Amino acid sequence: QQQVKQSPQSLIVQKGGISIINCAYENTAFDYFPWYQQFPGKGPALLIAIRPDVSEKKEGRFTISFNKSAKQFSLHIMDSQPGDSATYFCAASTLNTDKLIFGTGTRLQVFP
Amino acid sequence: NAGVTQTPKFQVLKTGQSMTLQCAQDMNHEYMSWYRQDPGMGLRLIHYSVGAGITDQGEVPNGYNVSRSTTEDFPLRLLSAAPSQTSVYFCASSYGGSGKNIQYFGAGTRLSVL
Repeated sequence: QQQVKQSPQSLIVQKGGISIINCAYENTAFDYFPWYQQFPGKGPALLIAIRPDVSEKKEGRFTISFNKSAKQFSLHIMDSQPGDSATYFCAASTLNTDKLIFGTGTRLQVFP
Repeated sequence: NAGVTQTPKFQVLKTGQSMTLQCAQDMNHEYMSWYRQDPGMGLRLIHYSVGAGITDQGEVPNGYNVSRSTTEDFPLRLLSAAPSQTSVYFCASSYGGSGKNIQYFGAGTRLSVL
């Protein structure tokens, strides 16, 4: 049973475009939602994270939008660059635990 | 500061062989975990530990053992390797306790079981 569902599986975007990756969760006890970025041959690294008390968090070109009632959150990458080409994972955890449940990942390719 | 170090980087095993994947961190993190990454499956939690002497099962623990005798080390043991255990394995660590800590991942161990 996939507790965190992620889509799309792959995404191709032209340089300068907007990349959007969506995640949905089932467990209402989740209260921390990070996004991790993984380059080929490397381990994942934290990109940006949000708590459910806010509906949006922005860091540079990366924005998380959060809809608590719909149990959905998404990552928006503005002005996508070839250097953003990587696999992106959404994740979720419950209060006071570092136990992360990951989505299945989205492979993003940004072409010049 | 080395962060999270995994060894070996690559390993080929025959069915039925046993081996230990090593993971060490030098950040004095309490929480450590092991994930496996398979195409289309994302990262799935195998085992985790909230501190020395304390371990628990994740989503896919069968066929794997762990122990945590020190804060720094968290080895993952494959008791009798099977082709279904062919995967990329990642170890991660974080401070633990607050539920919003950054998890730091190692570079991974790519394992093939023939």
